[in-house]
Amino acid sequence: SQTIHQWPATLVQPVGSPLSLECTVEGTSNPNLYWYRQAAGRGLQLLFYSVGIGQISSEVPQNLSASRPQDRQFILSSKKLLLSDSGFYLCAWSPPTVADTQYFGPGTRLTVL
Amino acid sequence: GQNIDQPTEMTATEGAIVQINCTYQTSGFNGLFWYQQHAGEAPTFLSYNVLDGLEEKGRFSSFLSRSKGYSYLLLKELQMKDSASYLCAGSNDYKLSFGAGTTVTVRA
Repeated sequence: SQTIHQWPATLVQPVGSPLSLECTVEGTSNPNLYWYRQAAGRGLQLLFYSVGIGQISSEVPQNLSASRPQDRQFILSSKKLLLSDSGFYLCAWSPPTVADTQYFGPGTRLTVL
Repeated sequence: GQNIDQPTEMTATEGAIVQINCTYQTSGFNGLFWYQQHAGEAPTFLSYNVLDGLEEKGRFSSFLSRSKGYSYLLLKELQMKDSASYLCAGSNDYKLSFGAGTTVTVRA
């Protein structure tokens, strides 16, 4: 069966500091991978998605970036965090087909102070 | 995006039925997903409709009308553990566009 991991679970960072969140998937090959952000009391905002190694599509221009160095690894980064980057960051995977079900990792709760 | 619209909050009594409506723009639409999200947790998949009609899964059913850009999630025999946010999401190629979610509160 497939498993998706995210770490860390919670993170408190000062404004201007860098960020690296990691997501890995087990039990599947060539998954589609996604990063979402959910602000408090808000819906899910798609940040990036990837349909293969080295292929990243950005949905929202901002100070975040994503990379996919391996087939089942997806990393979300920032060089300098802003207060507005606080939120619940969720990684998701789906089978390598169009419009298939996405399955979410446990999430990382980021607070920028 | 799909411009997903769903009510913000609903309240119902334990054992009752609640219907959560969702409307979306039909351009570029592939299918309609419903997810459940308990407070502080990640969303979990409930249902997927790609054809018109009703899909039933135990106490939960989901309906889709592609021509009307309309879906609903029906929760029957409500239990306290059903108190959560329910997210409607439209798919377009590889992406999902989520609504803001409907918070359902089940009262004893």
